[in-house]
Amino acid sequence: KQEVTQIPAALSVPEGENLVLNCSFTDSAIYNLQWFRQDPGKGLTSLLLIQSSQREQTSGRLNASLDKSSGRSTLYIAASQPGDSATYLCAVYGDYKLSFGAGTTVTVRA
Amino acid sequence: EAQVTQNPRYLITVTGKKLTVTCSQNMNHEYMSWYRQDPGLGLRQIYYSMNVEVTDKGDVPEGYKVSRKEKRNFPLILESPSPNQTSLYFCASSPTTGTGENTEAFFGQGTRLTVV
Repeated sequence: KQEVTQIPAALSVPEGENLVLNCSFTDSAIYNLQWFRQDPGKGLTSLLLIQSSQREQTSGRLNASLDKSSGRSTLYIAASQPGDSATYLCAVYGDYKLSFGAGTTVTVRA
Repeated sequence: EAQVTQNPRYLITVTGKKLTVTCSQNMNHEYMSWYRQDPGLGLRQIYYSMNVEVTDKGDVPEGYKVSRKEKRNFPLILESPSPNQTSLYFCASSPTTGTGENTEAFFGQGTRLTVV
């Protein structure tokens, strides 16, 4: 059974600092990995999708890396802003489903 | 606008009263699924569908039913809701289920269900 772990569970940083969010998974037989953002009581917004054959993906201030052999992915958010405050979820796709981590709750202080 | 639409967004119901949560996507996606999100347990898959008339159980299917009569719609049915089904529910869709590029998942805004 796929287990997905996200560390840290919570993170508080001053505005402008770079964010580093970690995700690890136990079964490397995945098709892809997807990072989401969730605001309190709201839905999930897709941030980045990394195919299993890729090592990283970038979108604006966001960059995500994937190392399947070690079962790890890292989401980098450059120059954080208060609007980046949210919970970030990592999910790996396999066996016809997404397996989610518990998330990292980020607070960016103005 | 490409989106996954769930209704209702909020629902309070009583134990045993049948209810349906609707889900519709306008992206012509083959794959649709339902998840529930609970504090401390995260997101868990309830059911999924690979295409019209093809559905299968996820990790927590007990107490739920689904149907996929049309490609765009994937309703979640609770025949006899119980308080332990109080949760935040999400519908998701993606173009395909296999390997390759078209597996990005898109989620609806969620349905907060309370069963009293």
